[in-house]
Amino acid sequence: DAGITQSPRYKITETGRQVTLMCHQTWSHSYMFWYRQDLGHGLRLIYYSAAADITDKGEVPDGYVVSRSKTENFPLTLESATRSQTSVYFCASRGTSLHEQFFGPGTRLTVL
Amino acid sequence: SQQGEEDPQALSIQEGENATMNCSYKTSINNLQWYRQNSGRGLVHLILIRSNEREKHSGRLRVTLDTSKKSSSLLITASRAADTASYFCATVNSGAGSYQLTFGKGTKLSVIP
Repeated sequence: DAGITQSPRYKITETGRQVTLMCHQTWSHSYMFWYRQDLGHGLRLIYYSAAADITDKGEVPDGYVVSRSKTENFPLTLESATRSQTSVYFCASRGTSLHEQFFGPGTRLTVL
Repeated sequence: SQQGEEDPQALSIQEGENATMNCSYKTSINNLQWYRQNSGRGLVHLILIRSNEREKHSGRLRVTLDTSKKSSSLLITASRAADTASYFCATVNSGAGSYQLTFGKGTKLSVIP
């Protein structure tokens, strides 16, 4: 399917477990982003990537790890999930010349 | 830290009326964008206005930008029930990586049929 997809769409896990959220885009966009959305905070940038093998921290990176070995994939890993990481996570991508970001449908993560 | 702050936080109007949402930001920007989010969905880009522009139109959308006041407004004319959504402003700051967006907390718009 063309576009940007996220998996899983819903995930329930327990405190201390490792969780990986997947993001895949078919446009070969250079830039990819991970945001979390919480009530009262809007969207906050966790990590971003300007190209394969180039990643950098955003506003709230603690507790998260990213990798980008291929242009089309940008997985986000919670190494040891905490309840404060319960949130809706959005992946987005952007081309080099475009200014707008294209968002995936989101992953709702609950950490018990 | 949040850059944009939308006002009001929630807005309820009748179908056919105009809806105006405001956004204020703190630092110098390269451009400002507005996004819509339907319940349970991802964000969708609506319109972008550059720092050297004052007004932009796209269909029923009109965006203004006042860099001296560090504020922007989004006007949706002749609203429809399908416009019910949350609307977010997002800024690309001058001097930052030109691809980073900083979002406000959003305005929740309800259009009553």
